[in-house]
Amino acid sequence: QQQVKQSPQSLIVQKGGISIINCAYENTAFDYFPWYQQFPGKGPALLIAIRPDVSEKKEGRFTISFNKSAKQFSLHIMDSQPGDSATYFCAASKGQGNLIFGKGTKLSVKP
Amino acid sequence: NAGVTQTPKFQVLKTGQSMTLQCAQDMNHEYMSWYRQDPGMGLRLIHYSVGAGITDQGEVPNGYNVSRSTTEDFPLRLLSAAPSQTSVYFCASSYTSGEQYFGPGTRLTVT
Repeated sequence: QQQVKQSPQSLIVQKGGISIINCAYENTAFDYFPWYQQFPGKGPALLIAIRPDVSEKKEGRFTISFNKSAKQFSLHIMDSQPGDSATYFCAASKGQGNLIFGKGTKLSVKP
Repeated sequence: NAGVTQTPKFQVLKTGQSMTLQCAQDMNHEYMSWYRQDPGMGLRLIHYSVGAGITDQGEVPNGYNVSRSTTEDFPLRLLSAAPSQTSVYFCASSYTSGEQYFGPGTRLTVT
């Protein structure tokens, strides 16, 4: 049973465009929803995270939108740049529990 | 402050051989974990530890052992390597299981 479903698997966006990656979860007890960014040959790094008491969190060009009733959250990358080309993972956890990761989205931003 | 370090970076094993993947962190984090990353599968939790002397199984623990004798170190042992264990292994640490800091990974090939 996949507890966190991520889509799309891959995404190609033109420079300056908006990249949108979606995740859906099943466990309503989840209370922490981070996004990780991974460059080739490197470990994942925390990009931005949200808790369910807010519907949106923005850090620079990166925004998480959270829909508690739909059990969905998404990452928006505004003004996408070639340097944003990476694999992005959503994740979820409850309390002090372990992170459950989505399967990842490979983003390519074309110049 | 080196963060999370992993050794070796690359390793090739023959089926049946054993080895230990090393992980160390210098951030005084209580929580440490091991993940494996396979194409299209995301990050799957192997084992984790909430403090020295305490370990527990994650989603895919078979074929792996761990121990946590100090706060800083969390080695992962492959008892009898199998081709199915060919993967990239990441160690992570955090104050809690939320925001995790990942190491650079170990790429393991079992022939």
